[in-house]
Amino acid sequence: DQQVKQNSPSLSVQEGRISILNCDYTNSMFDYFLWYKKYPAEGPTFLISISSIKDKNEDGRFTVFLNKSAKHLSLHIVPSQPGDSAVYFCAAGSEKLVFGKGTKLTVNP
Amino acid sequence: NAGVTQTPKFRILKIGQSMTLQCTQDMNHNYMYWYRQDPGMGLKLIYYSVGAGITDKGEVPNGYNVSRSTTEDFPLRLELAAPSQTSVYFCASSLRGGNYGYTFGSGTRLTVV
Repeated sequence: DQQVKQNSPSLSVQEGRISILNCDYTNSMFDYFLWYKKYPAEGPTFLISISSIKDKNEDGRFTVFLNKSAKHLSLHIVPSQPGDSAVYFCAAGSEKLVFGKGTKLTVNP
Repeated sequence: NAGVTQTPKFRILKIGQSMTLQCTQDMNHNYMYWYRQDPGMGLKLIYYSVGAGITDKGEVPNGYNVSRSTTEDFPLRLELAAPSQTSVYFCASSLRGGNYGYTFGSGTRLTVV
């Protein structure tokens, strides 16, 4: 049973516009939520995280929002750039992480 | 800075063979992890370690073994390889747990034929 779900396998946006990637989770005991970015033939790289006691965290063009009542988090990328094209994984947990299946983001010039 | 180094990058095994996937990190991280990623799927935790001499099972440990004799190294052993173990394997490390963000290696692509 998937504890972390990314229901959109892919997303395509125009350069300069906002990209919104979504993630749902089922375990209310998760302490932290994280987003990772993965390019082909490379390992995932850590992007941004948020604690379960917060509802928003920003880092430059990246913002993560957490809605605990809905068990939902999202990653906003503004403005989107072609170099952001990658697979984005949502993860949740504390000592160890559970990952979603990923969303492939394509940013078109 | 090397970070997390995995070897080999690619390997083809025959059914029933055994091998060890090597993972080493130079960041003095306490936590280390092994994940596998099947096509179109997320990463599934195989084993993890919170420090030298301590290991624990993850979500999919069957068919694998690990050891952690030093802080730096966390090898993953496959005994009696099966086609179901065809996957990309990622090793990761973290200073104090997943919430601080993992540093991943570049992966080992394993095919069992």
